[in-house]
Amino acid sequence: GDSVTQMEGPVTLSEEAFLTINCTYTATGYPSLFWYVQYPGEGLQLLLKATKADDKGSNKGFEATYRKETTSFHLEKGSVQVSDSAVYFCALKGPSGGGATNKLIFGTGTLLAVQP
Amino acid sequence: DAGVIQSPRHEVTEMGQEVTLRCKPISGHDYLFWYRQTMMRGLELLIYFNNNVPIDDSGMPEDRFSAKMPNASFSTLKIQPSEPRDSAVYFCASSFAQGFQEQFFGPGTRLTVL
Repeated sequence: GDSVTQMEGPVTLSEEAFLTINCTYTATGYPSLFWYVQYPGEGLQLLLKATKADDKGSNKGFEATYRKETTSFHLEKGSVQVSDSAVYFCALKGPSGGGATNKLIFGTGTLLAVQP
Repeated sequence: DAGVIQSPRHEVTEMGQEVTLRCKPISGHDYLFWYRQTMMRGLELLIYFNNNVPIDDSGMPEDRFSAKMPNASFSTLKIQPSEPRDSAVYFCASSFAQGFQEQFFGPGTRLTVL
């Protein structure tokens, strides 16, 4: 079945460092891909998305590119801030139609801790 | 607009007691999802509804868990009887059926079963 694998954390960085969190997926067809972020004590919220190959999702300085050839959707940010400390989840949703479900398949989450 | 509303935010109960978690989705959303989050198992989808009808409950761990959605603006997740291993944060999320279908999450209910 469909699955998402993301790098284990925690990832500890100094402020202004470059961030990469790896995410790879296994899915039939062409899924949509997402990064959700969970700040301490809160629910998840959508950070960015990409719905087809070569799409680049971006938001708040974060970027991720949908790479079909490597089945990857790595999250990057050029200069992290303390306020970016959170848990980041990679997720996929199968293509619509044909009785496909509307549910998301989440990775295990990666804790990012940014130190001043 | 109000987001997804969950209550209570925290619940502490003793083993064997019945626990009911509540969720009010965003108005107009067609889908409602219940998730459980633990350190050991991460984020698990328990059940989801489309237009108040349960679509997939394969994630419900056992018969002690049940979920209902009597109308478009309210859903409950019930655990009876509760056990210490049910301790987790339970999230409710909702989304539209059409378009991008982003899921909007509530703040969660932290359940502790002693």
